[in-house]
Amino acid sequence: DAGVIQSPRHEVTEMGQEVTLRCKPISGHNSLFWYRQTMMRGLELLIYFNNNVPIDDSGMPEDRFSAKMPNASFSTLKIQPSEPRDSAVYFCASRWRVEGDQTQYFGPGTRLLVL
Amino acid sequence: AQSVTQLDSQVPVFEEAPVELRCNYSSSVSVYLFWYVQYPNQGLQLLLKYLSGSTLVKGINGFEAEFNKSQTSFHLRKPSVHISDTAEYFCAVSSGTYKYIFGTGTRLKVLA
Repeated sequence: DAGVIQSPRHEVTEMGQEVTLRCKPISGHNSLFWYRQTMMRGLELLIYFNNNVPIDDSGMPEDRFSAKMPNASFSTLKIQPSEPRDSAVYFCASRWRVEGDQTQYFGPGTRLLVL
Repeated sequence: AQSVTQLDSQVPVFEEAPVELRCNYSSSVSVYLFWYVQYPNQGLQLLLKYLSGSTLVKGINGFEAEFNKSQTSFHLRKPSVHISDTAEYFCAVSSGTYKYIFGTGTRLKVLA
């Protein structure tokens, strides 16, 4: 089975540019998460979708960040405009929401460097 | 509020020696517990999980963990490590909602 797929794997951009990160969850999963990982703050939950609907976006740093999930097999995280402090690894994770199991499966991540 | 503590930020160990990575949590409700491994420049891979039942959980790559409710711990163990086990290990707890609380991670360095 294919796991969570993220693209691109690496992104280098200049400050002020728009960045779009993409995620394809595991087929059949109905919950999707975006995380950010930095040395200083560790793993932070940015946003959580259930059945394509954003349920909790309290972790989104500011209005420059937006996320969408137009269908069950695709999600995007957009940063516009990007800033150097956005440099991090961004992970997408998905799960099948079922009582008694909260296991999340992570993608390989997108390493973002904003110059 | 829930929290997860991984007291050891780095653990060096010689190849073929046993290792224990410690994880303690605080929660006022029943929890689900997870260990993930992150190899360099890769994503998080599930090692094992405790949902209910037997407190001794076996995972992939020869790892196991024991849930101790009275000590609120979920320590990860392996009887004999390999160079390829060098990675960062994360403990996570969930109270049954969608949120994970992650520990800060433990870097395991296996020495030849």
